[in-house]
Amino acid sequence: KQEVTQIPAALSVPEGENLVLNCSFTDSAIYNLQWFRQDPGKGLTSLLLIQSSQREQTSGRLNASLDKSSGRSTLYIAASQPGDSATYLCAVGLYNNNDMRFGAGTRLTVKP
Amino acid sequence: DAGVTQSPTHLIKTRGQQVTLRCSPISGHKSVSWYQQVLGQGPQFIFQYYEKEERGRGNFPDRFSARQFPNYSSELNVNALLLGDSALYLCASSLGSWANEQYFGPGTRLTVT
Repeated sequence: KQEVTQIPAALSVPEGENLVLNCSFTDSAIYNLQWFRQDPGKGLTSLLLIQSSQREQTSGRLNASLDKSSGRSTLYIAASQPGDSATYLCAVGLYNNNDMRFGAGTRLTVKP
Repeated sequence: DAGVTQSPTHLIKTRGQQVTLRCSPISGHKSVSWYQQVLGQGPQFIFQYYEKEERGRGNFPDRFSARQFPNYSSELNVNALLLGDSALYLCASSLGSWANEQYFGPGTRLTVT
């Protein structure tokens, strides 16, 4: 059974700091991995999608990497800003059942 | 272009009642998936529909059902509501049945009292 874990559960950093969020999964049979942002009580905003054949994706200050063999992905946020404060979720796409399996998220606070 | 829309935004129901949640996908998207998100946890997969057929089902009881209409919009129905059904219900749309980027709506907050 696929399990997705995100560490740390919560993170507080000062503005301007570079940071890394971690995501691990137990089964490497995934077809993609997607990082999302969720503001309190809101829906999910897609940040980056990495297909299983790719190693990384970049968008602005965000960079996500994928290492299927070790079951790990990281989301790197450069020069963090208070507006980056949110919960960040990773999800892996599964071949069977067409569903996505989510981690519990990392709650990020960027202090001015 | 409009994103994924969901209605209603909030809903309060009593135990034992039935509820219907609605979702309209992004124009051109043929796949709709439903997720339940309990406070403090990641979303859990309930159903996926593609071209009006069920393509995936998560580990939820038969009280949960869904359907997709010819215009690709979808409804999620939950019967005999329990307190534990209180959650944020999220709808996601994508172009194809799998391996595509998922786009989520704002969700429907269901409270069961």
